[in-house]
Amino acid sequence: AQSVTQLGSHVSVSEGALVLLRCNYSSSVPPYLFWYVQYPNQGLQLLLKYTSAATLVKGINGFEAEFKKSETSFHLTKPSAHMSDAAEYFCAVSVASGGSYIPTFGRGTSLIVHP
Amino acid sequence: NAGVTQTPKFRILKIGQSMTLQCAQDMNHNYMYWYRQDPGMGLKLIYYSVGAGITDKGEVPNGYNVSRSTTEDFPLRLELAAPSQTSVYFCASSYSTSGQGHGYTFGSGTRLTVV
Repeated sequence: AQSVTQLGSHVSVSEGALVLLRCNYSSSVPPYLFWYVQYPNQGLQLLLKYTSAATLVKGINGFEAEFKKSETSFHLTKPSAHMSDAAEYFCAVSVASGGSYIPTFGRGTSLIVHP
Repeated sequence: NAGVTQTPKFRILKIGQSMTLQCAQDMNHNYMYWYRQDPGMGLKLIYYSVGAGITDKGEVPNGYNVSRSTTEDFPLRLELAAPSQTSVYFCASSYSTSGQGHGYTFGSGTRLTVV
């Protein structure tokens, strides 16, 4: 069974600083990996996804993530934080199981951006 | 594009009451999912469906039932509401079970309180 671990339930950065949100997964087979963002009182929106093509994936709003198989990681980064980036971020993994893929989500990391 | 539509947005139930959370998608997606989101716990999969007439249990199915009579609709039924079912419920759909393509598309959620 796959699992996802997001290190840090809260990450606080200053506006303009680097954003780094950590995600590690466990899977015995090649996974598909995703990052989603959730703004208050809204559903989840896809930021980016890794589906076995390029290991460095670029997403919306300037975010990107790098798939590192040796480290079983898929950390999310953004060079310069903006106030509008404040939200909850979820890492997800999708792995084949019995003919289907079941997406599993991490517990989420709340990004706080200070002026 | 409506995407995934959930109704109602909010609901207060008394213990023992029943209700149906509605979910409809207009993207002709075969795969649909129900998640519950609790603070600090991420998203837990309740039930999922790989096509009309086919449903299967997720991680936390107890106390819930689903049906999938059409491709578009995937209602979630609570028969005897309990305080432990107080949560935010999200419906999602995808073109492929692995999430390739556009990933998983989420509705805006139903906030349920059981008192």
